[in-house]
Amino acid sequence: DAGVTQSPTHLIKTRGQHVTLRCSPISGHKSVSWYQQVLGQGPQFIFQYYEKEERGRGNFPDRFSARQFPNYSSELNVNALLLGDSALYLCASRLGGTLLETQYFGPGTRLLVL
Amino acid sequence: GQQLNQSPQSMFIQEGEDVSMNCTSSSIFNTWLWYKQDPGEGPVLLIALYKAGELTSNGRLTAQFGITRKDSFLNISASIPSDVGIYFCAGPLMNRDDKIIFGKGTRLHILP
Repeated sequence: DAGVTQSPTHLIKTRGQHVTLRCSPISGHKSVSWYQQVLGQGPQFIFQYYEKEERGRGNFPDRFSARQFPNYSSELNVNALLLGDSALYLCASRLGGTLLETQYFGPGTRLLVL
Repeated sequence: GQQLNQSPQSMFIQEGEDVSMNCTSSSIFNTWLWYKQDPGEGPVLLIALYKAGELTSNGRLTAQFGITRKDSFLNISASIPSDVGIYFCAGPLMNRDDKIIFGKGTRLHILP
């Protein structure tokens, strides 16, 4: 079975631009979470979606938004990109909505903002 | 706010040695998670701990949930080259059922 997939794998943008990152969860998983991992740091929680509704939001500005589609795939959108948005963006899926369930991470999308 | 402090930040060991790393917080956690991240990959869950004092093993890995609920330890016995990577502790914030926080990681290097 396929694991969590993310696209694109790498992306280069310039300041002020907008970016959309995509995630497909493991088949049957209904929850998707997004994390930002800056170089040398641990992943930092951005959003969790469960059954197409936002279940949680981390301390990120409104430039960050996300949504989950009927097929449970998800998009993370970032507007007005800043140099500090350069990071590895990780998507994780879990079967249900509770944090105690194991979450499975994708390989991430590496975003570079110039 | 709540944060997780991992030590050491990095380790250089010889193949075959045992490894010990820990994670501490000023706040109580009800669950401790240990992940490993290989280069170019997302983190993979190694061990989950749900009860104070719990000791859980996964092959050569053993993790413990501290009695105070403010710390956790991960030990790796007889290290092998594939143990190289970054080890993260993580846990859900108290009174927040939607958010998991991660430590900054311990980077493990194995010398040939």
